[in-house]
Amino acid sequence: DSGVTQTPKHLITATGQRVTLRCSPRSGDLSVYWYQQSLDQGLQFLIHYYNGEERAKGNILERFSAQQFPDLHSELNLSSLELGDSALYFCASSVGWGASTYEQYFGPGTRLTVT
Amino acid sequence: GENVEQHPSTLSVQEGDSAVIKCTYSDSASNYFPWYKQELGKGPQLIIDIRSNVGEKKDQRIAVTLNKTAKHFSLHITETQPEDSAVYFCGESGYSTLTFGKGTMLLVSP
Repeated sequence: DSGVTQTPKHLITATGQRVTLRCSPRSGDLSVYWYQQSLDQGLQFLIHYYNGEERAKGNILERFSAQQFPDLHSELNLSSLELGDSALYFCASSVGWGASTYEQYFGPGTRLTVT
Repeated sequence: GENVEQHPSTLSVQEGDSAVIKCTYSDSASNYFPWYKQELGKGPQLIIDIRSNVGEKKDQRIAVTLNKTAKHFSLHITETQPEDSAVYFCGESGYSTLTFGKGTMLLVSP
């Protein structure tokens, strides 16, 4: 158990809908990262927050957004869902952010199925 | 980080044999190289990592080697056991953001 929690574990929804995925980082960690894992694209970095502020963006679609709250939990919002958004979504956390890369610890993931 | 290539995509070994997975990267600024193990239905688990000022690091049956000149690093698992069966991902980073390889499915047969 990494100490990172994600809810829900599974999510099934229809095209065009909007969903929210939630992540709580390990105790003491200030950074939260979101990743998408699909069979053809592997593990893709989406976005990074540190202590409530966005620090880096990866291959995140404009239909997707995220935020990190004062209690450090984070939410990933996916809207206007398409079939191709079906994937595993992982959250990871680390202690810090800066010139040195910190170890990232992953949560168990949320499996999103868009029908 | 930019691209990272990982080979092989699948690897089958007999219990007790060694397994080696290799990754190459292109960004000369990369300085952090983790390896993750992902079991079915679970999130990736950090198993070992190495930074650019070190050439090799060991932890019991697993080791990672880094060749910065050639821009490649490898995961070595000795005395493999059936519970080592999983997908292994290499990663690289120069500044906070990790880029991952496509993964290697390791199957250890009893």
